Amino acid sequence: DADVTQTPRNRITKTGKRIMLECSQTKGHDRMYWYRQDPGLGLRLIYYSFDVKDINKGEISDGYSVSRQAQAKFSLSLESAIPNQTALYFCATSDQGAETQYFGPGTRLLVL
Amino acid sequence: GEDVEQSLFLSVREGDSSVINCTYTDSSSTYLYWYKQEPGAGLQLLTYIFSNMDMKQDQRLTVLLNKKDKHLSLRIADTQTGDSAIYFCAEIYGQNFVFGPGTRLSVLP
Repeated sequence: DADVTQTPRNRITKTGKRIMLECSQTKGHDRMYWYRQDPGLGLRLIYYSFDVKDINKGEISDGYSVSRQAQAKFSLSLESAIPNQTALYFCATSDQGAETQYFGPGTRLLVL
Repeated sequence: GEDVEQSLFLSVREGDSSVINCTYTDSSSTYLYWYKQEPGAGLQLLTYIFSNMDMKQDQRLTVLLNKKDKHLSLRIADTQTGDSAIYFCAEIYGQNFVFGPGTRLSVLP
Protein backbone atom coordinates (compact mmCIF):
# COMPACT_ATOMS: atom_id res chain seq x y z
CA ASP A 1 0.00 0.00 0.00
CA ALA A 2 1.17 3.54 -0.77
CA ASP A 3 2.42 5.53 2.20
CA VAL A 4 1.03 8.86 0.94
CA THR A 5 -2.29 8.82 -0.88
CA GLN A 6 -4.24 11.58 -2.55
CA THR A 7 -7.87 11.73 -3.61
CA PRO A 8 -9.14 12.37 -6.16
CA ARG A 9 -6.40 11.61 -8.68
CA ASN A 10 -8.11 13.64 -11.37
CA ARG A 11 -10.81 16.29 -11.19
CA ILE A 12 -12.52 18.60 -13.64
CA THR A 13 -14.54 21.45 -12.20
CA LYS A 14 -16.01 24.79 -13.20
CA THR A 15 -15.01 28.30 -12.27
CA GLY A 16 -16.49 29.34 -8.92
CA LYS A 17 -16.94 25.83 -7.53
CA ARG A 18 -15.52 24.75 -4.20
CA ILE A 19 -13.07 21.86 -4.40
CA MET A 20 -11.35 19.82 -1.69
CA LEU A 21 -8.27 17.70 -2.30
CA GLU A 22 -7.43 15.14 0.35
CA CYS A 23 -4.15 13.67 1.49
CA SER A 24 -3.57 10.79 3.89
CA GLN A 25 -0.34 9.25 5.10
CA THR A 26 0.57 6.11 6.99
CA LYS A 27 4.18 7.05 7.64
CA GLY A 28 3.47 8.61 11.02
CA HIS A 29 5.15 11.84 9.99
CA ASP A 30 4.40 15.10 11.75
CA ARG A 31 5.00 17.38 8.79
CA MET A 32 2.74 17.66 5.76
CA TYR A 33 2.87 19.91 2.72
CA TRP A 34 0.83 20.92 -0.30
CA TYR A 35 2.54 21.93 -3.54
CA ARG A 36 1.35 22.76 -7.00
CA GLN A 37 3.34 21.90 -10.09
CA ASP A 38 3.18 23.94 -13.27
CA PRO A 39 5.30 23.27 -16.37
CA GLY A 40 8.60 25.12 -16.23
CA LEU A 41 7.97 26.37 -12.68
CA GLY A 42 8.74 23.28 -10.67
CA LEU A 43 6.94 22.80 -7.38
CA ARG A 44 5.68 25.77 -5.41
CA LEU A 45 4.67 25.48 -1.78
CA ILE A 46 1.06 26.38 -1.00
CA TYR A 47 0.70 25.51 2.70
CA TYR A 48 2.52 23.38 5.22
CA SER A 49 1.83 22.00 8.66
CA PHE A 50 4.34 20.80 11.23
CA ASP A 51 1.76 19.23 13.51
CA VAL A 52 -2.01 19.11 14.01
CA LYS A 53 -2.25 22.59 15.53
CA ASP A 54 0.21 24.21 13.16
CA ILE A 55 -0.70 25.74 9.77
CA ASN A 56 1.63 27.95 7.75
CA LYS A 57 1.30 29.77 4.46
CA GLY A 58 3.73 28.93 1.72
CA GLU A 59 4.83 30.86 -1.31
CA ILE A 60 1.43 30.89 -3.09
CA SER A 61 -1.35 30.52 -0.51
CA ASP A 62 -3.82 33.05 -1.98
CA GLY A 63 -7.01 31.35 -3.13
CA TYR A 64 -6.33 28.24 -1.06
CA SER A 65 -7.04 27.05 2.47
CA VAL A 66 -6.05 23.91 4.37
CA SER A 67 -7.19 21.81 7.26
CA ARG A 68 -5.08 19.42 9.31
CA GLN A 69 -7.75 17.15 10.69
CA ALA A 70 -5.36 14.66 12.23
CA GLN A 71 -1.70 13.78 12.09
CA ALA A 72 -2.39 11.57 9.11
CA LYS A 73 -4.69 13.88 7.13
CA PHE A 74 -4.13 17.22 5.45
CA SER A 75 -6.71 18.62 3.04
CA LEU A 76 -6.45 21.48 0.58
CA SER A 77 -9.48 23.54 -0.42
CA LEU A 78 -10.10 25.91 -3.27
CA GLU A 79 -13.03 27.99 -2.04
CA SER A 80 -13.88 29.38 -5.46
CA ALA A 81 -11.85 27.72 -8.19
CA ILE A 82 -10.45 29.78 -11.06
CA PRO A 83 -8.85 28.59 -14.32
CA ASN A 84 -5.31 29.57 -13.32
CA GLN A 85 -5.55 27.05 -10.50
CA THR A 86 -5.42 24.33 -13.14
CA ALA A 87 -2.31 22.39 -12.16
CA LEU A 88 -0.94 19.18 -10.71
CA TYR A 89 -1.17 19.18 -6.92
CA PHE A 90 1.14 17.16 -4.69
CA CYS A 91 0.97 16.33 -1.03
CA ALA A 92 4.19 15.45 0.77
CA THR A 93 5.25 14.41 4.26
CA SER A 94 8.43 14.48 6.25
CA ASP A 95 9.48 13.59 9.74
CA GLN A 96 10.84 16.26 12.05
CA GLY A 97 14.56 16.43 11.53
CA ALA A 98 14.44 14.03 8.61
CA GLU A 99 16.35 14.87 5.48
CA THR A 100 13.75 14.14 2.85
CA GLN A 101 10.12 14.35 1.82
CA TYR A 102 7.81 11.63 0.56
CA PHE A 103 5.33 12.55 -2.13
CA GLY A 104 1.87 11.38 -3.00
CA PRO A 105 0.98 10.45 -6.60
CA GLY A 106 -0.56 13.85 -7.35
CA THR A 107 -4.01 15.20 -8.18
CA ARG A 108 -4.53 16.62 -11.64
CA LEU A 109 -7.06 19.49 -11.44
CA LEU A 110 -8.63 21.19 -14.42
CA VAL A 111 -10.73 24.31 -13.83
CA LEU A 112 -12.89 25.27 -16.78
CA GLY B 1 13.90 34.88 -1.96
CA GLU B 2 15.52 31.55 -2.40
CA ASP B 3 16.06 30.37 -5.96
CA VAL B 4 17.03 27.06 -7.50
CA GLU B 5 17.72 27.03 -11.22
CA GLN B 6 18.01 24.28 -13.79
CA SER B 7 17.92 24.08 -17.54
CA LEU B 8 14.52 22.80 -18.66
CA PHE B 9 15.48 20.22 -21.29
CA LEU B 10 18.25 17.71 -22.01
CA SER B 11 18.46 15.09 -24.75
CA VAL B 12 21.01 12.30 -24.83
CA ARG B 13 21.48 9.09 -26.78
CA GLU B 14 20.95 5.75 -25.12
CA GLY B 15 24.21 4.52 -23.62
CA ASP B 16 25.74 7.99 -23.27
CA SER B 17 26.18 9.82 -19.98
CA SER B 18 23.71 12.51 -18.93
CA VAL B 19 24.71 15.48 -16.81
CA ILE B 20 21.96 17.57 -15.25
CA ASN B 21 23.05 20.82 -13.63
CA CYS B 22 21.55 22.95 -10.90
CA THR B 23 22.49 26.19 -9.15
CA TYR B 24 21.14 27.34 -5.82
CA THR B 25 21.46 30.45 -3.70
CA ASP B 26 21.31 29.40 -0.04
CA SER B 27 24.85 28.58 1.05
CA SER B 28 23.59 27.33 4.42
CA SER B 29 21.61 24.42 2.95
CA THR B 30 22.52 21.25 4.82
CA TYR B 31 21.18 18.83 2.24
CA LEU B 32 20.71 18.99 -1.52
CA TYR B 33 18.52 16.56 -3.38
CA TRP B 34 17.70 15.06 -6.70
CA TYR B 35 14.16 13.85 -7.30
CA LYS B 36 12.87 11.97 -10.33
CA GLN B 37 9.35 12.31 -11.70
CA GLU B 38 8.21 9.75 -14.22
CA PRO B 39 5.18 10.49 -16.42
CA GLY B 40 1.94 10.48 -14.42
CA ALA B 41 3.70 9.86 -11.13
CA GLY B 42 4.77 11.79 -8.07
CA LEU B 43 8.31 12.76 -7.17
CA GLN B 44 10.61 10.02 -6.04
CA LEU B 45 13.80 10.71 -4.13
CA LEU B 46 16.73 9.64 -6.28
CA THR B 47 19.64 10.65 -4.14
CA TYR B 48 20.84 13.39 -1.84
CA ILE B 49 24.13 14.80 -0.67
CA PHE B 50 25.10 16.32 2.63
CA SER B 51 26.64 19.76 2.29
CA ASN B 52 30.01 18.73 3.71
CA MET B 53 30.53 16.26 0.86
CA ASP B 54 31.92 16.96 -2.60
CA MET B 55 30.78 13.81 -4.31
CA LYS B 56 28.45 10.90 -3.80
CA GLN B 57 28.23 7.85 -6.02
CA ASP B 58 25.40 5.34 -6.12
CA GLN B 59 25.59 2.77 -8.92
CA ARG B 60 25.04 4.72 -12.16
CA LEU B 61 24.44 8.01 -10.37
CA THR B 62 27.15 10.49 -9.39
CA VAL B 63 26.34 13.70 -7.55
CA LEU B 64 28.91 16.48 -7.51
CA LEU B 65 28.65 19.46 -5.21
CA ASN B 66 30.65 22.66 -5.62
CA LYS B 67 29.77 24.73 -2.57
CA LYS B 68 31.90 27.67 -3.60
CA ASP B 69 29.95 28.09 -6.85
CA LYS B 70 26.67 26.76 -5.35
CA HIS B 71 26.48 24.25 -8.14
CA LEU B 72 25.08 20.74 -7.98
CA SER B 73 25.15 18.19 -10.76
CA LEU B 74 23.73 14.73 -11.37
CA ARG B 75 25.53 12.41 -13.75
CA ILE B 76 23.75 9.32 -15.02
CA ALA B 77 26.13 6.82 -16.61
CA ASP B 78 24.99 4.54 -19.45
CA THR B 79 21.66 6.36 -19.77
CA GLN B 80 18.73 4.09 -20.56
CA THR B 81 15.25 4.78 -21.96
CA GLY B 82 13.86 4.15 -18.48
CA ASP B 83 15.80 7.20 -17.29
CA SER B 84 13.52 9.47 -19.35
CA ALA B 85 11.80 11.66 -16.75
CA ILE B 86 11.84 15.09 -15.17
CA TYR B 87 14.64 15.58 -12.65
CA PHE B 88 14.23 18.12 -9.87
CA CYS B 89 17.02 19.64 -7.86
CA ALA B 90 15.97 20.76 -4.36
CA GLU B 91 17.50 22.25 -1.25
CA ILE B 92 16.36 22.83 2.29
CA TYR B 93 15.79 26.53 2.95
CA GLY B 94 14.95 27.21 6.58
CA GLN B 95 12.62 24.35 7.41
CA ASN B 96 11.19 23.96 3.93
CA PHE B 97 12.22 22.50 0.63
CA VAL B 98 12.78 24.68 -2.41
CA PHE B 99 12.61 23.00 -5.80
CA GLY B 100 14.05 23.93 -9.15
CA PRO B 101 11.81 23.98 -12.23
CA GLY B 102 12.89 20.50 -13.30
CA THR B 103 14.95 19.24 -16.24
CA ARG B 104 13.13 17.01 -18.71
CA LEU B 105 15.56 14.29 -19.82
CA SER B 106 14.79 12.64 -23.14
CA VAL B 107 16.73 9.51 -24.06
CA LEU B 108 16.99 8.93 -27.79
CA PRO B 109 17.51 5.45 -29.25
